[in-house]
Amino acid sequence: GAGVSQTPSNKVTEKGKYVELRCDPISGHTALYWYRQSLGQGPEFLIYFQGTGAADDSGLPNDRFFAVRPEGSVSTLKIQRTERGDSAVYLCASSPQRGSYNEQFFGPGTRLTVL
Amino acid sequence: RKEVEQDPGPFNVPEGATVAFNCTYSNSASQSFFWYRQDCRKEPKLLMSVYSSGNEDGRFTAQLNRASQYISLLIRDSKLSDSATYLCVGGYQKVTFGTGTKLQVIP
Repeated sequence: GAGVSQTPSNKVTEKGKYVELRCDPISGHTALYWYRQSLGQGPEFLIYFQGTGAADDSGLPNDRFFAVRPEGSVSTLKIQRTERGDSAVYLCASSPQRGSYNEQFFGPGTRLTVL
Repeated sequence: RKEVEQDPGPFNVPEGATVAFNCTYSNSASQSFFWYRQDCRKEPKLLMSVYSSGNEDGRFTAQLNRASQYISLLIRDSKLSDSATYLCVGGYQKVTFGTGTKLQVIP
């Protein structure tokens, strides 16, 4: 079956611009996670959705970052006033089970470059 | 102290060798542990869950030591295709990824 998909695969933007990153989880998966991964680092947790609601957004670095999942499937990560330090690969993962301590299936990521 | 810590490596080992990675965790209440594999410029994929009793899957063995708060991954008879970064994952209520240990298997 189809895995987790993310669009775009690459995004280049200028400092100060607004970007949206999209994640399509595996059909039927109720849990959805966003991570950020910089070179040489492991995935850094940003936010976790259970259904439509954000169950844990403690990893969002500041109020420039926001994510939604209005119908409990597709999620969008939104970054306002981008900074060069936001450059990273943004990974989305989904899980069929409640709780972030279950196997997560990752998408291929969106590589964000802020010039 | 980081919640999950790993030696970043790289570990360069010859084909056929046995190699072991350890990963320490700081929260004694941590409940769930995993090893993920990540190939260069690819997404992480689950390699193994780690159970209290230890578990084995072919050439791979994972163990949990709660007293010393570490988990381990043992790879026997290393193959060239095992070259990747191995991410340790663990946590309480939510999981945290380690920085990864890079393995390079050399012909």
